[in-house]
Parts: sequence; C-alpha cells; structure tokens
Amino acid sequence: GQQLNQSPQSMFIQEGEDVSMNCTSSSIFNTWLWYKQDPGEGPVLLIALYKAGELTSNGRLTAQFGITRKDSFLNISASIPSDVGIYFCAGPDANAGGTSYGKLTFGQGTILTVHP
Amino acid sequence: SAVISQKPSRDICQRGTSLTIQCQVDSQVTMMFWYRQQPGQSLTLIATANQGSEATYESGFVIDKFPISRPNLTFSTLTVSNMSPEDSSIYLCSVERQGFRAFFGQGTRLTVV
Repeated sequence: GQQLNQSPQSMFIQEGEDVSMNCTSSSIFNTWLWYKQDPGEGPVLLIALYKAGELTSNGRLTAQFGITRKDSFLNISASIPSDVGIYFCAGPDANAGGTSYGKLTFGQGTILTVHP
Repeated sequence: SAVISQKPSRDICQRGTSLTIQCQVDSQVTMMFWYRQQPGQSLTLIATANQGSEATYESGFVIDKFPISRPNLTFSTLTVSNMSPEDSSIYLCSVERQGFRAFFGQGTRLTVV
C-alpha cells in the first residue's frame, strides 16, 4: 500500500527560529494535507494542497506540493511555543481512487519542540 | 470546518470487556471514518462507516473486534470488543467536508489494564 515518509522525526528548536519538514512518497499523490496534533487532541487541518507546484500559506505556515507529486514541504516561520506538537502529512488513499479525502494515509509525524 | 464530538474522551477499562465510543457530527455526512492511533504512532484507518450499509474494514481490522454502527447521517459508534492491553490507543472519528478536507474529533484515549 501507500506509504508516506516524514522527516525529520523530531526537532528541537529555539523560539523565533524557522522550521522545515517534508514528506515523501513512493507513489504519486493528487492531494497533500498537513495536520497538527496537540497532546490529548485530534489532528487539526493546517493546509490542503491540490495541484503540483502549489504553494499555500496559512499565517506563519507555508506548504508546497512538489512538482513530482511525490513530496510536500511544510515550513513554519518565526516559531513560537504554541507551535509545539506533532505535524502529520496525509493524502487520500489510492485504493479509494485517490478521491476519498476521509480515507487517508498518514506519515509517521514530526514532533516539534520549541524552547522559549 | 466540522464540529465533531466524541464520547468518552478517555477511559480505563479491564481486559476482556468492551467499550463503545460515540461520534456525533454537527451536520449530515455520507461517510464517517474511524482511525486508531497507537501510542507514539501515526493514524491508521480502521473502517469507513456509511449510513444504511455495513462498514468497510481495512486490512488487519475485523468486524467482530471493532463492530461499527451508523444509525443516521450524523452519528456513529465504534465498539472495541474483548479488549486487551494491545488495544490501548487513541480512537478518532473523522468526516470529509468542505472542498475535500478531512476533519477529526478530539479522540478517545483508551487504556486497557
């Protein structure tokens, strides 16, 4: 089945630093979704990407849909303590025709720690 | 977005017992999805629940272990049956909404002792 590989697995940064993480796949994705999960909560959708090459921002967050359709990047600028959490990439399952956005394959997550 | 409420938010259960998790959505949806997140792991889809038909289970998950009900278009339940410590996880329900985006409930944190 599909697999998404996220890197890095974890990051420890100082407040104010920029953060970059990525997600790669062995197969093509038509959509990339980026989620953040706070402790004890469900994942919250941050950014959705629908076209190769697309660059989308949400406040201090920017995500890009790779040209090859096999990767995506998430950048966080000027990090703050509340950015702490686990960031997941996800995409629709190809077995669902790649069109059911509720049926998702998730990456392993990137754990972000921000030191004040 | 979507407002998705799960109950209970957490529970500690004895092995061999069953727990039913409820998921309520603020408006009608065709499909609801149930995920499992084992400790320190990512999310894995358990099954897709359609109203009026049997749930569709992913590889590695069976109806006897995780029976699902979908009595109407805003509600679903997932039961974790005959629990063992390996079932200790966060269980999440999800819906698809608004321009092909998936939204999640806050999750049910289950500990089996």
